[in-house]
Amino acid sequence: DQQVKQNSPSLSVQEGRISILNCDYTNSMFDYFLWYKKYPAEGPTFLISISSIKDKNEDGRFTVFLNKSAKHLSLHIVPSQPGDSAVYFCAASDAWGAQKLVFGQGTRLTINP
Amino acid sequence: DAGVTQSPTHLIKTRGQQVTLRCSPISGHKSVSWYQQVLGQGPQFIFQYYEKEERGRGNFPDRFSARQFPNYSSELNVNALLLGDSALYLCASSTQGISEAFFGQGTRLTVV
Repeated sequence: DQQVKQNSPSLSVQEGRISILNCDYTNSMFDYFLWYKKYPAEGPTFLISISSIKDKNEDGRFTVFLNKSAKHLSLHIVPSQPGDSAVYFCAASDAWGAQKLVFGQGTRLTINP
Repeated sequence: DAGVTQSPTHLIKTRGQQVTLRCSPISGHKSVSWYQQVLGQGPQFIFQYYEKEERGRGNFPDRFSARQFPNYSSELNVNALLLGDSALYLCASSTQGISEAFFGQGTRLTVV
């Protein structure tokens, strides 16, 4: 039972353009959502998060959008840079402050020069 | 500041053996969580410990156990290893009350 799904295993974007990574979830108890980036041979690195009381959160080039009615969130990266090439994981928890994160399968983002 | 450190980085074990993985959290972080990541999947929650007490457990068999020490470091033990236990084991630490977990580089376990 995959509660958090990232349906695109890979995404290729030209440098300077917008990258949009998508994530769907099924558990309506999820209250807090996070995005992590992972390079090979490294652990996941926290990028940005959003609470269910918001529908948008911005941090520099990264913006996360949450649509609770559709149980969908997305990560926008503008402009995309070569260093953004990595695997991106969407994660969810059922309470702010909860430590049990449920991860999606990941999307491999490749930024082409 | 040192991040989350895990040891060893790689190891190879034989089926049926036991393994212990170690994790040191970021200074000041009292919560440690363990995750298993198999190839092509996202990390899957195994355990969370806070102040030496188990606060959460994922859907893993009893062969998996963990503990947290007074200095907040943690060990993950896996008994009677199976081939399917081959994975990247990630440790994460955080301050209680937030969900943003900071991960170590992981331990790559291969069971042959």
